[in-house]
Amino acid sequence: KNQVEQSPQSLIILEGKNCTLQCNYTVSPFSNLRWYKQDTGRGPVSLTIMTFSENTKSNGRYTATLDADTKQSSLHITASQLSDSASYICVVSQGYAGNNRKLIWGLGTSLAVNP
Amino acid sequence: KAGVTQTPRYLIKTRGQQVTLSCSPISGHRSVSWYQQTPGQGLQFLFEYFSETQRNKGNFPGRFSGRQFSNSRSEMNVSTLELGDSALYLCASSLSPTGPDEQYFGPGTRLTVT
Repeated sequence: KNQVEQSPQSLIILEGKNCTLQCNYTVSPFSNLRWYKQDTGRGPVSLTIMTFSENTKSNGRYTATLDADTKQSSLHITASQLSDSASYICVVSQGYAGNNRKLIWGLGTSLAVNP
Repeated sequence: KAGVTQTPRYLIKTRGQQVTLSCSPISGHRSVSWYQQTPGQGLQFLFEYFSETQRNKGNFPGRFSGRQFSNSRSEMNVSTLELGDSALYLCASSLSPTGPDEQYFGPGTRLTVT
């Protein structure tokens, strides 16, 4: 069954600290993996998109890694800020290049950054 | 460039009524997807339209329907509303339904069914 599992479900950290969110997937065939940030009551915003051949991609203080062999991804947040408080969602695109994609969504990790 | 817009932002309906939500994609984007988001369920895919044709459909009952117009604007309709339909409905647009194109989400429509 095609699934995306994220851990932890929720996380509380102090401002300025680093944290790492995990995403494990069992999606085949794999097309790409995305990380989204969703603020409460808002639509998700894309942080990174990684294809099979990419194992690291950064977007400011956000760094995503992908291990296609173990089917694991992580999102590392450096020097957290209060504005990082949000839900972080991992999404895996299933399908072959050129065909309609099917996006498999994780349930997200709820991150709270406290002062 | 303007982002994805959704109207209305908030809506309160009673059971049995029907509702129509609207989504205007980013200019030039021809693919529009709809999602339902409820606490604990994450984003559930409803359907995707491209060039006025439904390309993909999620596992939702027939009460949920949609369409796309020639200008790429899309509407979704929910008939005979149930309490469980209360959710945040998100619309996302992208250039096409294939490849690693980014999806850009709108702010969502918060539907409350009483």
